[in-house]
Amino acid sequence: DTEVTQTPKHLVMGMTNKKSLKCEQHMGHRAMYWYKQKAKKPPELMFVYSYEKLSINESVPSRFSPECPNSSLLNLHLHALQPEDSALYLCASSQGGINEKLFFGSGTQLSVL
Amino acid sequence: EDQVTQSPEALRLQEGESSSLNCSYTVSGLRGLFWYRQDPGKGPEFLFTLYSAGEEKEKERLKATLTKKESFLHITAPKPEDSATYLCAVYQLTGGGNKLTFGTGTQLKVEL
Repeated sequence: DTEVTQTPKHLVMGMTNKKSLKCEQHMGHRAMYWYKQKAKKPPELMFVYSYEKLSINESVPSRFSPECPNSSLLNLHLHALQPEDSALYLCASSQGGINEKLFFGSGTQLSVL
Repeated sequence: EDQVTQSPEALRLQEGESSSLNCSYTVSGLRGLFWYRQDPGKGPEFLFTLYSAGEEKEKERLKATLTKKESFLHITAPKPEDSATYLCAVYQLTGGGNKLTFGTGTQLKVEL
């Protein structure tokens, strides 16, 4: 299994909603990532977990809350988002060191109304 | 300041018309350079890793090369299914640890 699986594929939420994005990998990778990507822009790093511990937080607003329940799962909890948070949210994993070759999921396209 | 620049921003080719995409970088502590392909609304798909100047990698119609200041992705006789955004990413060792910097991408359209 060489896949990173993200759910849901699409999400529409209001500014007062609470929702979660989920990511799963079964490649035995020890680092997992959340990226945000706006149209026609490169992915921007949000968070990195290494061995289930948060290693990097790129000064992301607290309305985004990551969680790594175990080595295969990564969640991103969303609360009180703004319309400008609408984007493609990508999960990725890598086998060893942080920021080595990344395997990306297909992403969740998020729209905040 | 570390920079990764891709050119052109967009490229339109006829089927069979070979061309090259460029990724130039000014970073210290380079450990490797990655090429990814991204289809609209999807996550980037890994293509190649290059580690040192002079290295070349090939996959089907794609060939990636690396020099000390830039990398090229050569596309030979492209087909419409090669249409996508191609991203390069530079992997470097900094005082703060490993860092990955993406270029802004080249949007390729191959027409019949």
